[in-house]
This record gives sequence, structure tokens and C-alpha cells, in this order.
Amino acid sequence: TQLLEQSPQFLSIQEGENLTVYCNSSSVFSSLQWYRQEPGEGPVLLVTVVTGGEVKKLKRLTFQFGDARKDSSLHITAAQPGDTGLYLCAGFRSNYKLTFGKGTLLTVNP
Amino acid sequence: DADVTQTPRNRITKTGKRIMLECSQTKGHDRMYWYRQDPGLGLRLIYYSFDVKDINKGEISDGYSVSRQAQAKFSLSLESAIPNQTALYFCATSDSLAGAADEQFFGPGTRLTVL
Repeated sequence: TQLLEQSPQFLSIQEGENLTVYCNSSSVFSSLQWYRQEPGEGPVLLVTVVTGGEVKKLKRLTFQFGDARKDSSLHITAAQPGDTGLYLCAGFRSNYKLTFGKGTLLTVNP
Repeated sequence: DADVTQTPRNRITKTGKRIMLECSQTKGHDRMYWYRQDPGLGLRLIYYSFDVKDINKGEISDGYSVSRQAQAKFSLSLESAIPNQTALYFCATSDSLAGAADEQFFGPGTRLTVL
């Protein structure tokens, strides 16, 4: 059973469009992270959200942590080809280990 | 220079062979991790180590072993490789002083193929 469910699994859009990626769980997490992975490289941290209801912005990316700390979303405004990559959510529970979702593979076409 | 390095970057081997994947870090972090990544399955934790004398199994440790030779080095071994261990393997590090929400820093990965 996957602890963190990400949707959609694949997303292909045109440059300039907006999109939202979801990360859902039935479990509570002390914090949640979003990573981006490009081909041939390891994941790189984008953001950590800690407080229920927290919203963080990173340029055109907006991250939200659900009030109950069970879910999160990533919204990208006016997507660009450079946003192409695999987006992974990962949650911390009490044992300081990260649990990863399966990822959302985003392709932004010029 | 990269903070987390993995060797080799690519390896093709045969069923039954012993394989060692190595990870070194210059970040001075005390925590190190080994993950495998399979298409459609995300990253799954194999083993983790919170300091040199601490080794813990992750969710998929069967068929794997690890050695923490020093704070900066953490190696993963496949004693007798099998085809379903074909995957992309990542080493990662984190700093315990960063708190509960510590960032993990990943190496570039090792692509392992077992024939």
C-alpha cells in the first residue's frame, strides 16, 4: 500500500498553461517535502512545508500543506519548458525517515 | 565538485555476481541513505545510517547489505544479484542538526542492470 498517492502520474501541457499536482495520504505527516528530479540526476529539494494550512511560494510555484497535514499540492503558473521533470512529494513521520510518492512526470512543450 | 558522489554510474552484471555500489560525501553530514528507484514506483528506502555505528533496514532491505566505513562513506552490496534488482540506485545524505524536516541531498545515481 502506497502511503503517499500522487496524481496525476503523467502530465503533458503547453508552455504558458497552469497545472496542479496532488499528493494525498490517509496518514498525518510532521512535514512534507517536494523534490524535482531531472533525467540523469538525483532529486533536488524544492520546498518543505511544516504547518497545517501553510502556503509557500517559489517564483511561479505555489505549495500548500493541508490543514490536517495529510495532503499537499503543487501549483505551477505559466509553465515553461524548464519546468519539465519528475516531481516527487515526500513525507516525514515521527521516525525521521522520508516516504516518497511515486511521482508526477511533467512535460512542458514549447 | 559534487557533494555526494556515487560509483560506478552505470553497471551491467550477471545473475549471481556480487556487486558493491559506493557513496562518498563531502557535506559533513552524519545521516546517509540508500534508495532504489523503479519506473512507476518512486523512491524506496533500502537502508539508512544515522551515524557510523548505526545501521537500519528500510522497507526493502532483503537481498542487500550495507557498510558505513566512515562518516563520509556508505556502500551498498548485492551479495548475489538477481534480475529484479535492476534499477536506479541513489545515495542521499542529511544533517541531523537541521531538525525533523531535514533536506536530503542526493547523489547522481547508479544505473544497475542485472542480466
